[in-house]
Amino acid sequence: QKEVEQDPGPLSVPEGAIVSLNCTYSNSAFQYFMWYRQYSRKGPELLMYTYSSGNKEDGRFTAQVDKSSKYISLFIRDSQPSDSATYLCAIGYNAGNMLTFGGGTRLMVKP
Amino acid sequence: EAGVTQFPSHSVIEKGQTVTLRCDPISGHDNLYWYRRVMGKEIKFLLHFVKESKQDESGMPNNRFLAERTGGTYSTLKVQPAELEDSGVYFCASSPFPGQGKETQYFGPGTRLLVL
Repeated sequence: QKEVEQDPGPLSVPEGAIVSLNCTYSNSAFQYFMWYRQYSRKGPELLMYTYSSGNKEDGRFTAQVDKSSKYISLFIRDSQPSDSATYLCAIGYNAGNMLTFGGGTRLMVKP
Repeated sequence: EAGVTQFPSHSVIEKGQTVTLRCDPISGHDNLYWYRRVMGKEIKFLLHFVKESKQDESGMPNNRFLAERTGGTYSTLKVQPAELEDSGVYFCASSPFPGQGKETQYFGPGTRLLVL
């Protein structure tokens, strides 16, 4: 069993839709939860960072962490074609330590 | 603020040759990480430097891989001799020292390595 599971997609939505991206993880010791966006042939770009449980909002993006279910989510409101990319969840045990990545979900937002 | 830079952006070599990848972290970041993504797989951790010291090298696949970080600034990752399965994208990331409230890792654009 992988430590972090993520549906690879692709996920295709119309412009303006609300997008929900998710990851599940197996080890309850994880404390740091991040979402990265990666455009084709570019490096991962940090979108959201959450420590422990709860919600965090930044503009059109909301990250949720449910440690009891070992489930993390990223919501994108009013999706735009420029949001089309691969979204990676990444999880860490302690600050400064290695990150464990999900395989990424490819999102396509159609005009 | 300049981001993490990596050189070269692409490298095509033959099996058995040597390749050296370079990473320049964000200025002032003590932590430097190497990750790799091989075709069809998730990004996986290789190793972690704190300044010039190797903090964690549990992800290094074998002794053909050698990483250095001279003076705690830039880092190099050498693959010698390269094998076909070493093909993939090598990412470097950096972060400030933990406790400064910014524990997130910032990634470079990656080096795409193809071993023929």
